[in-house]
Amino acid sequence: TQLLEQSPQFLSIQEGENLTVYCNSSSVFSSLQWYRQEPGEGPVLLVTVVTGGEVKKLKRLTFQFGDARKDSSLHITAAQPGDTGLYLCAGAVISSYDKVIFGPGTSLSVIP
Amino acid sequence: DARVTQTPRHKVTEMGQEVTMRCQPILGHNTVFWYRQTMMQGLELLAYFRNRAPLDDSGMPKDRFSAEMPDATLATLKIQPSEPRDSAVYFCASVFGGVTDTQYFGPGTRLTVL
Repeated sequence: TQLLEQSPQFLSIQEGENLTVYCNSSSVFSSLQWYRQEPGEGPVLLVTVVTGGEVKKLKRLTFQFGDARKDSSLHITAAQPGDTGLYLCAGAVISSYDKVIFGPGTSLSVIP
Repeated sequence: DARVTQTPRHKVTEMGQEVTMRCQPILGHNTVFWYRQTMMQGLELLAYFRNRAPLDDSGMPKDRFSAEMPDATLATLKIQPSEPRDSAVYFCASVFGGVTDTQYFGPGTRLTVL
């Protein structure tokens, strides 16, 4: 059974602080996605990373895919209240046919 | 602004009743997913379809759940009979392409089974 773990599970920080959340597995992924979900809504895609070691930036968000394609991180610089939400990573597992597995998520609260 | 729509948004029912949830994928998207989200289990894939054909429903309890795509504009998820443990938010998502492409999620149906 392929599993994705995310840490921390909950994070509460002050506006302006930096943070990093992690997504880990023992499985190798062909690609990995990060989604953000706000209360009462469905997840929305932030980024897809495909190549081991790849780094992508989306304004104040920096995403990194591990060299071995088993893990990923999301770093937010100068967090803002609008960053509040549930951050989900989702991996496409090479050994499974056409399947994407979601992690349990990191719930981020940015306090003004 | 193309979006995935889901109905109803909220459903409260009693144990043993049939529940039907509907999803309208984005026009032109050929792959549709059904997920269930709970605090304990997170986001779980129940089933998905490509070009209206079921590809994987291994995440779905077979004895009470069924998923269909009567046509390209409608996907349904039925629970019969419903149980309190089915209480969750059910999401539909659609994709143009494969599972690793961008999934567009609907707003979800919040189901409460009393």
